Amino acid sequence: NAGVMQNPRHLVRRRGQEARLRCSPMKGHSHVYWYRQLPEEGLKFMVYLQKENIIDESGMPKERFSAEFPKEGPSILRIQQVVRGDSAAYFCASSPTGRGYEQYFGPGTRLTVT
Amino acid sequence: AQTVTQSQPEMSVQEAETVTLSCTYDTSESDYYLFWYKQPPSRQMILVIRQEAYKQQNATENRFSVNFQKAAKSFSLKISDSQLGDAAMYFCAYSAYSGAGSYQLTFGKGTKLSVIP
Repeated sequence: NAGVMQNPRHLVRRRGQEARLRCSPMKGHSHVYWYRQLPEEGLKFMVYLQKENIIDESGMPKERFSAEFPKEGPSILRIQQVVRGDSAAYFCASSPTGRGYEQYFGPGTRLTVT
Repeated sequence: AQTVTQSQPEMSVQEAETVTLSCTYDTSESDYYLFWYKQPPSRQMILVIRQEAYKQQNATENRFSVNFQKAAKSFSLKISDSQLGDAAMYFCAYSAYSGAGSYQLTFGKGTKLSVIP
């Protein structure tokens, strides 16, 4: 049973470009959380999605960031017009139920903005 | 808002010795979960141990155990017989229903553990 997959593992973007981060949950999981880890910090919640629905986006920056989890395919975190402050590791966690005790993390995507 | 505090940015332990990492949290909820995650240099988040708040018995996983003091809102991690592979960042985390439909994890800032051969 494959674990949570994230790609790319490393992504370099110049300021002003768009970044697309993908998360393929574990088989049978229809709930996805996205977290961001800034350097020397713990992970911070960004958004929680179920298939085709955004449930809680209270941790998402108001501008430039969006997320989706379509009926088919991976969940995508999209960052438009990236700035240096967006440089971070982005983790997704999938869950069969959405519950906090059942979140399985992917390996993360490290975004570097030059 | 819930907060998780790890007051020890760095700790070190001699191989085969025991070390305790501290964590305190703030919440008004009665139903929640607490976790310790390990993050090695690979950055993969690895669940070490979890504790249900309604359980009085402290969780144990092999060499890892917790001291859960619910009234004091304290959740420390004890690592016994420390091994070189235990060297990593350790994050304490909390989860409860947010009211907005999710059970997101709230993390502390982490403790960097070094193991001395």
